[in-house]
Amino acid sequence: DGGITQSPKYLFRKEGQNVTLSCEQNLNHDAMYWYRQDPGQGLRLIYYSQIVNDFQKGDIAEGYSVSREKKESFPLTVTSAQKNPTAFYLCASSHGQGPNQPQHFGDGTRLSIL
Amino acid sequence: AQSVTQLDSHVSVSEGTPVLLRCNYSSSYSPSLFWYVQHPNKGLQLLLKYTSAATLVKGINGFEAEFKKSETSFHLTKPSAHMSDAAEYFCVVSDWNYGGSQGNLIFGKGTKLSVKP
Repeated sequence: DGGITQSPKYLFRKEGQNVTLSCEQNLNHDAMYWYRQDPGQGLRLIYYSQIVNDFQKGDIAEGYSVSREKKESFPLTVTSAQKNPTAFYLCASSHGQGPNQPQHFGDGTRLSIL
Repeated sequence: AQSVTQLDSHVSVSEGTPVLLRCNYSSSYSPSLFWYVQHPNKGLQLLLKYTSAATLVKGINGFEAEFKKSETSFHLTKPSAHMSDAAEYFCVVSDWNYGGSQGNLIFGKGTKLSVKP
């Protein structure tokens, strides 16, 4: 079945450590997204990519980095510069960008600080 | 700029009674609107979308939403709640404006639906 796979499901970070969250899709979608979800705040966009080798900052990009070397993969690195990384991280994809393009979501990675 | 406001952070209903989750939007253009559902520790699943074809939109699992331009509302309803409907629901607007914005999604803060037996 086609879908989006995020791994790991749970991740723990030590102080000063960078961690990378994986996102893979087999939907042949061009656009991919990373969101951060905190309780009571909805979803906030971290980074998005419309095409391979290109990505743009979202609303809360500070302390995060991404790469898009392959169409199906869009990993997110949470760097030590992100001082409050504890959150639920969701990856999504869509066929393209436009007014009617729904996004399809993975099951998320929950990141906690040790 | 586009935005959405979900008017209730928590709604509680009894099984078999109607569900109403309220959403108001702000948009300078003809908006594209979505409702998503999220079960605990899961990703979001699309329930339905409005794209100007019809004001009453039917979605999955018996949900529907009505677009009312005069009220700038897009409320989600279901005639009879089921225990499996307990989840968090997000109203979402696209920021697409045909003038260069990316068509990114702007999420409301969510409404948690509880269903009592």
